[in-house]
Amino acid sequence: ELKVEQNPLFLSMQEGKNYTIYCNYSTTSDRLYWYRQDPGKSLESLFVLLSNGAVKQEGRLMASLDTKARLSTLHITAAVHDLSATYFCAVANLLTAGNKLTFGGGTRVLVKP
Amino acid sequence: DTAVSQTPKYLVTQMGNDKSIKCEQNLGHDTMYWYKQDSKKFLKIMFSYNNKELIINETVPNRFSPKSPDKAHLNLHINSLELGDSAVYFCASSHVATSRSYEQYFGPGTRLTVT
Repeated sequence: ELKVEQNPLFLSMQEGKNYTIYCNYSTTSDRLYWYRQDPGKSLESLFVLLSNGAVKQEGRLMASLDTKARLSTLHITAAVHDLSATYFCAVANLLTAGNKLTFGGGTRVLVKP
Repeated sequence: DTAVSQTPKYLVTQMGNDKSIKCEQNLGHDTMYWYKQDSKKFLKIMFSYNNKELIINETVPNRFSPKSPDKAHLNLHINSLELGDSAVYFCASSHVATSRSYEQYFGPGTRLTVT
């Protein structure tokens, strides 16, 4: 059974500093997704990573994928208050049909001024 | 022009009742999903339909029954509601046939509260 672990579960950030969220998964996959969820809202797609070594950047967020280590990272550069949200990684299980995604437990990010 | 829509947004009901949640997508996607997000924000897939065919059916109580009348719609009917069914239910859709990313787009969620 595919397991996806995120850490930390909670991250208190200071504005202007850099931080990293880690996403480890237990079985082979080459499709990994990062989502953002604001309180009471839906999930917003941030990145789709489709191959080993993939790196994508959008604004202050950068995501990377190492399929050999079964690890993805979400790096936040110079945190700002607007980035406060819960971030989820999700991994596609290639051994099952239907594009089944298994989600990590989420990382709640709070950026303080 | 909402991409994935769900109704209702909020649903408060008593134990033992039967209720339905509806989902529609106008993205032209061929696959739709139901997820449950519990009070600890943990997200877990429940069902998936591809072209009206059930392809993912996770271990959920058989009180939950999905129905897909066409590719653009996926409904969730819940019988004999229990307190533990209280959660936020998200619908999502993706294009699987010709897309490599299979990226899933989520609806706004339906917050179900069972009293």
